[in-house]
Order: sequence, then structure tokens, then C-alpha cells
Amino acid sequence: AQSVTQLGSHVSVSEGALVLLRCNYSSSVPPYLFWYVQYPNQGLQLLLKYTSAATLVKGINGFEAEFKKSETSFHLTKPSAHMSDAAEYFCAVSDTGNQFYFGTGTSLTVIP
Amino acid sequence: KAGVTQTPRYLIKTRGQQVTLSCSPISGHRSVSWYQQTPGQGLQFLFEYFSETQRNKGNFPGRFSGRQFSNSRSEMNVSTLELGDSALYLCASRLNPGQGSNYGYTFGSGTRLTVV
Repeated sequence: AQSVTQLGSHVSVSEGALVLLRCNYSSSVPPYLFWYVQYPNQGLQLLLKYTSAATLVKGINGFEAEFKKSETSFHLTKPSAHMSDAAEYFCAVSDTGNQFYFGTGTSLTVIP
Repeated sequence: KAGVTQTPRYLIKTRGQQVTLSCSPISGHRSVSWYQQTPGQGLQFLFEYFSETQRNKGNFPGRFSGRQFSNSRSEMNVSTLELGDSALYLCASRLNPGQGSNYGYTFGSGTRLTVV
């Protein structure tokens, strides 16, 4: 079975600072990996996805993530945080069975 | 292109009642999944429907049920509501399970259910 671990349920950064949200997965086969963002009282919006093409994936709103097979990681980064980035972020993995497994989420706070 | 539409957005029900939530997927998407989101448990998979058939089911009691219609719209039903059923219920659609992995889900805005 697949699983996803997001280290840090709460992360705080200053406006303009680097954002780093961590995600590690377990998968017996090459996975598909996703990052979603959720704003208050909204559904989840796809930020970016890794589907075995380039290991550095660029998404919306300036976010990117790097797939590192040796570390089984798919960390999400953004060079400079904006106030509008404050939200809940979810990492997810999908296997060949096509079922999705979500992490428990990381709440990002941006301090002005 | 319209997104995933969930109705209603908010519901307040009393313990013991039942509730039906509705989800209209993106046009052309034939797979619909349901998730329960709570602060303590995160996103919990309820079930997935494809071509009117339940394809996968999560670890929830039989009080939670669903169905999918020929137009791919889906409903989920919760009977004999308990206080612990209070949650945000999210619906997500994708083209079909076979092609879905590399596309990911498109989520609706959810239905906030409060059981009192």
C-alpha cells in the first residue's frame, strides 16, 4: 500500500522568505505525485503533479517541487512567500491502482 | 468549462436524521470520488464511482452509501447521523480511473455538514 508523510503540520514563514513543505512517500512502484492547496472553506486545487517526466516540476503561483527517488521525497518550495500563500497544503500519491493517498496536510502561515 | 459542483454548500442536521449530498462532475469526467475531511483525521476516502458502479470503498460504516447516475452525477447518503459525522464532504472527479492517475482529481468546494 502507498502512503504519504508530510513533516510538520504547521509551518510559519515571513513574507518574502523561502517556503519549504516536506513530503515523503512510500511506493513499491514509480508513483504519480501531486500537491494540492486548500483555502478556507474551499475544495482542493491542484498546484502541480509529477508523472515521470522531468523531476523538477513547476506549478501555479510560483510553486515547484522536485522528485527525488533516492530520498522518496517530493518537497514543495517557493522562493518568496506571499500573504496569499497562507493555506493548507496536501501531498498525494497515486499508484497503478489509481487510488489516491493523501497526507495529513501542512498549514502554512505567512507572517507580514 | 464548469467545475465540480456540490450542493448544498452548508447543512445542519440533527442526530439520527439522514442526509443526501449531491455532486456534478466536470463535463466528460466519468469517475467521481467522495472524501470526508475533518481536522483530526484529514482526508478520508469514502468511495469512488465509475460508470454507475462503485469501484473502490474506504473504511466507513454502512451508514455511508453512494450512487452514480448515467449522466455521471453522484449522490452520497448518510443515514442515522452521528455527531462525529460533522465534516467537510468533498467530491472529486476525473476522466476515468485508468487515465486519472496522471491527471489528478478536480475537487468541488465541498458540503459542510454539521450534526447537532
